[in-house]
Amino acid sequence: DQQVKQNSPSLSVQEGRISILNCDYTNSMFDYFLWYKKYPAEGPTFLISISSIKDKNEDGRFTVFLNKSAKHLSLHIVPSQPGDSAVYFCAATPLYNFNKFYFGSGTKLNVKP
Amino acid sequence: DGGITQSPKYLFRKEGQNVTLSCEQNLNHDAMYWYRQDPGQGLRLIYYSQIVNDFQKGDIAEGYSVSREKKESFPLTVTSAQKNPTAFYLCASSEIQGSNQPQHFGDGTRLSIL
Repeated sequence: DQQVKQNSPSLSVQEGRISILNCDYTNSMFDYFLWYKKYPAEGPTFLISISSIKDKNEDGRFTVFLNKSAKHLSLHIVPSQPGDSAVYFCAATPLYNFNKFYFGSGTKLNVKP
Repeated sequence: DGGITQSPKYLFRKEGQNVTLSCEQNLNHDAMYWYRQDPGQGLRLIYYSQIVNDFQKGDIAEGYSVSREKKESFPLTVTSAQKNPTAFYLCASSEIQGSNQPQHFGDGTRLSIL
């Protein structure tokens, strides 16, 4: 029973355009949401996060949007660069246990030059 | 510089053998975690520890064991009871719970069956 879902296994975008990666969750107790980026044969690296009290958080080219009523979050990358090509995981933690992170299955982003 | 070190990078296990994956961190983090990643799936939590000499089972703890004798170290043993151990194993750490802190990951160990 996967509580965090990334329904698009892959996404291909032209350099300079916007990349939008989506994530849905089922647990209404999730309170903190994160995006990680992973290159092959490496561990994920933290990219950006958002608390449930906000609906948007921005860091440079990366913006995360949270829609609590729809239980949906998205990561926008503008403009996309070839170095952004990686697998992106969304993750969430619940109010009752900040030590339990639930991960989606990842979306592989390919930014074409 | 600070980080998480996992070793070895690749590991092969014979049938019926126990193997131990190493995870060391110098970030002074209280919490440490072990995840398993299979192709096309997200990271699944095996065990986690919030403090030395204490740890909790995650969602897929069967066939695995851990210890936390030192703050810096959280080794994972894949026992012979784990019938499908071939996977990519990731260790992570974070600051104490309740602080909305992200996890920091090592580069993983890929375990295969001979």
